[in-house]
This record gives sequence, structure tokens and C-alpha cells, in this order.
Amino acid sequence: KNEVEQSPQNLTAQEGEFITINCSYSVGISALHWLQQHPGGGIVSLFMLSSGKKKHGRLIATINIQEKHSSLHITASHPRDSAVYICAVRLRVEAAGNKLTFGGGTRVLVKP
Amino acid sequence: DGGITQSPKYLFRKEGQNVTLSCEQNLNHDAMYWYRQDPGQGLRLIYYSQIVNDFQKGDIAEGYSVSREKKESFPLTVTSAQKNPTAFYLCASSIAGRGYEQYFGPGTRLTVT
Repeated sequence: KNEVEQSPQNLTAQEGEFITINCSYSVGISALHWLQQHPGGGIVSLFMLSSGKKKHGRLIATINIQEKHSSLHITASHPRDSAVYICAVRLRVEAAGNKLTFGGGTRVLVKP
Repeated sequence: DGGITQSPKYLFRKEGQNVTLSCEQNLNHDAMYWYRQDPGQGLRLIYYSQIVNDFQKGDIAEGYSVSREKKESFPLTVTSAQKNPTAFYLCASSIAGRGYEQYFGPGTRLTVT
């Protein structure tokens, strides 16, 4: 079983719909990242969370440390939101340094 | 503009040949990382370096080698010993130490036939 699991693997939405992507992890972490990978392959960091909730534009990320779960929400989705969204965690163990463990990604397609 | 560059974007090689992927950053970051991405799988760490002239193996280092002679550069060599070299390779950098965000390059797609 992977240490970081994302669901769903694929998601198709109509423009304007509210989208939720989930990330569950099985290890102790010091931080969780949400990343966006566009079709060309480049990756952009969206959020880094260690507790609570963060919002940037139409994107909202939440984390529940006790339940080892995080969600990424996209409000009023748009075709330009079509991308792969990746959850990654930094282990709490000091020896892990700044290394990240990645989920398999959620491919999101927003249709006009 | 500060950032990470990887070149080329697409690379084709014949089986049995070594190939070196370039990664350069001008963010003044001490730490650099190489990841491999296969379809349907999460990124996996190949090698990382926290400081010049030092690097450590990641989770899948077999068949790869790196060097870190300059702070700005962290080239990755895919050797003929790597059994399945065809993949998308991503380089990243960050401030050294825990708690810092990693910045990713655009990636190189390597195809070996």
C-alpha cells in the first residue's frame, strides 16, 4: 500500500462545477503539498500545509492531521484548471530532511 | 527571472548508451533533487544533494549517477545499467533544510529504444 493515496484517479467536470480531490496518508508528516502538473509536464506548487486551511483564488486546501487526510477544492472550475493534481508529504522523521513522498496524482478534465 | 531549466525537453537514445540530463538553477538554492515519473505512478526520488560536492541516493538510484560540482548545476546520467530508462525526469531545488518548498523544472522526457 502506498504511503500517499489520492482519489479519484480521474475526474471530469463541467465548467463551473465544484471539484474536490482527496489525499490520505499513512505516515506522520510535518507538511503536505499540493502541486499542479500541466499537460506539458511542468509542476507548480499550489499549497504547503501543516494545519488548517489555505485559500488562493478559486483553490482551497484543507488538512486534518488527526485523520491524516487533506482535500483540494476548486470552486467555479474552468477548462484551464485541467491538469494533474499531485499530493506530496514531507515525513516528520528528521532524517528525511526535505524529501517528499508523492501520491499518484488526480487527472482533472474540465469541459466547457 | 529566477528558475530551473532542464534541457532538452525531449531526448531520444539507443539502448546501451549513457545519456546525461541537464538541470540548472539560478535560485541560489543549496538543495537539488532528481525525480522520475512513470505513467500512473507518483514521482520517485532518484538522487538528491543538500550541498555542493555531496549527494545521496534516493529510492530508485540504481542505474543512475549524479554530480554536484557547482551550486547551480546537478546533472543526471542515465546509464546503460538502468533497465527501464524511458520516463519523464524532473529536477527540483529548494533551500536546504526542512520546511522549504521545492521548485520544479519543466522536465525532460527520455525515450530509449
